[in-house]
Amino acid sequence: QVQLVESGGGLVKPGGSLRLSCAASGFTFSDYYMSWIRQAPGKGLEWVSYISSSGSTIYYADSVKGRFTISRDNAKNSLYLQMNSLRAEDTAVYYCARVTRRDGYNEGFDYWGQGTLVTVSS
Amino acid sequence: IQLTQSPSSLSASVGDRVTITCRASQGISSYLAWYQQKPGKAPKLLIYAASTLQSGVPSRFSGSGSGTDFTLTISSLQPEDFATYYCQQLNSYPPTFGGGTKVEIK
Repeated sequence: QVQLVESGGGLVKPGGSLRLSCAASGFTFSDYYMSWIRQAPGKGLEWVSYISSSGSTIYYADSVKGRFTISRDNAKNSLYLQMNSLRAEDTAVYYCARVTRRDGYNEGFDYWGQGTLVTVSS
Repeated sequence: IQLTQSPSSLSASVGDRVTITCRASQGISSYLAWYQQKPGKAPKLLIYAASTLQSGVPSRFSGSGSGTDFTLTISSLQPEDFATYYCQQLNSYPPTFGGGTKVEIK
């Protein structure tokens, strides 16, 4: 069965860095676009970043552009999010999710991990 | 593209028909998905392409609409349906979410 397992969250000071990982199993990882989505405590969902199946196409939310870097290693079935210059407003549960697509268009996020909490505080 | 969900919360009883609305600030064709999220859990995809039921989702859930106005309907609310529901547009970047609708027990 499809599984996505995030890791790497924790407490970090403002201005610090963290690298999140998402281990995928149960499907052909290299066939799928992947994404990171976050949810601040008690708040709604915010899309963070997309990466294409090959890694050649990447998009970011304006709120993280220039600070966060998404990447993937298809040989290791893994997705990553390098987060630099962290701010208090980056505090959230970070989810990785698989993107379902048809005819070149994204249709939704059909599988999600359990999430990993990132807390940015001094 | 901004998505406005209404209502932001509602109280309903088991067996009730529930309708949630999602309005987009500009046309998004049918590139709309609906998710269900329970406390402490990841969201679950219910519907994509505005009206296509995700595999394994009960048929009491249905979606409709295109352009700017969309609805999620639960035909007969079950105890396990009490949760927060989000719409999401995937027509253009960034793929934005609505603010959520919390469905509570009356």
